[in-house]
Amino acid sequence: DIQMTQSPSTLSASVGDRVTITCRASQSISIWLAWYQQKPGKAPKFLIYAASTLESGVPSRFSGSGSGTEFTLTISSLQPDDFATYYCQQYNTYSWTFGQGTKVEIK
Amino acid sequence: EVQLVESGGGLVQPGGSLRLSCAASGFTFSYSAMHWVRQVPGKGLEYVSGISSNGGSTYYAKSVEGRFTISRDNSKNTLYLQMGSLRAEDMAVYYCARARGLSGKDPFDYWGQGILVTVSS
Repeated sequence: DIQMTQSPSTLSASVGDRVTITCRASQSISIWLAWYQQKPGKAPKFLIYAASTLESGVPSRFSGSGSGTEFTLTISSLQPDDFATYYCQQYNTYSWTFGQGTKVEIK
Repeated sequence: EVQLVESGGGLVQPGGSLRLSCAASGFTFSYSAMHWVRQVPGKGLEYVSGISSNGGSTYYAKSVEGRFTISRDNSKNTLYLQMGSLRAEDMAVYYCARARGLSGKDPFDYWGQGILVTVSS
């Protein structure tokens, strides 16, 4: 099975900061990576697919990059609504796998 | 508007069974693969099971294979998860989710609100 590892597990940042989260796959997944945002008590929200394609309606301050085994999610200027936990997910195989999550908290 | 509404959760004893349902609306259900994902409160997301649009292919995490069965009724726009031989470690919030796209290997663009399954004596 493909393992997904996110870093850091927790990130403390201020409004306006540029924030980067890394996701590594245990083997190549090409570009078949998605990112989700989850707030406490809510379902995950779909942000990015195919490593870098923004889902409709997602603010342009979110961006994704990478291919193969290393991927990043960047928030160019952190907004109050962005404090949440972020998960990557690989969908290269018929065994979808999530990273363990990165919590973005207020510094 | 796409809506996914889970039901059927609750308290069940270890070794017991429970069937979750997910009622879908706002899209052509029979065109979409569907999935179940769970989350222990305070922990991360764990993939549970998936089913192709016509029900011909099913997928399971190793942790539930042989105990859980996914199915769908396209005439009722409903997804199911039959859970058996439940263990304490199955206690979680269960989400149903829609696959984005038609390739069969897609991310999940819409999620239900989640339903809590509690396994305890």
